[in-house]
Amino acid sequence: KNQVEQSPQSLIILEGKNCTLQCNYTVSPFSNLRWYKQDTGRGPVSLTIMTFSENTKSNGRYTATLDADTKQSSLHITASQLSDSASYICVVSDYSGTYKYIFGTGTRLKVLA
Amino acid sequence: DTGVSQDPRHKITKRGQNVTFRCDPISEHNRLYWYRQTLGQGPEFLTYFQNEAQLEKSRLLSDRFSAERPKGSFSTLEIQRTEQGDSAMYLCAKTSGETDTQYFGPGTRLTVL
Repeated sequence: KNQVEQSPQSLIILEGKNCTLQCNYTVSPFSNLRWYKQDTGRGPVSLTIMTFSENTKSNGRYTATLDADTKQSSLHITASQLSDSASYICVVSDYSGTYKYIFGTGTRLKVLA
Repeated sequence: DTGVSQDPRHKITKRGQNVTFRCDPISEHNRLYWYRQTLGQGPEFLTYFQNEAQLEKSRLLSDRFSAERPKGSFSTLEIQRTEQGDSAMYLCAKTSGETDTQYFGPGTRLTVL
């Protein structure tokens, strides 16, 4: 069964600190992996996308890594800001003839002043 | 701005009533998706369209739910005889570009009393 699991479920950090969010998946065939940021009450917004051959992708203070062998990805946030408080969702594309996206349940991040 | 608008943003209705939501991707795109998201969970796939053809429906989409995309541009999602369990955020997304990235609308928050 295709699944995407994220950890931790929630995280609280102080402003300026770094943090790393984890995503494990069992999706086959794998097409690509995305990280989304979702502010409360809003739709998700894409942060990064990685294909099978990519190991790392950065978007400002966000850096995503992908290990396709172990089927793990991480999202590292550097020098966190209050505006980083949101849910971060890992999404894996399962391209088996149809364009299907498998969503994780997200990690809820709270950045405190 | 993700180029996807949804209307209404919020809807409160009484159990048993019918509701209809609309999704407008600002520019035409082949694929349009509907998702449902409850608190603390990732989006759950409901259905998707390629142009005006509805190609896949989740088993979450009971016979009370119907979606249309009559001209391959905007889409509507109707829920008949709403139940309290239908209370959720309903998200619409379009795909764009070579990376197949999904762009989400702001969602419609449905509350069934």
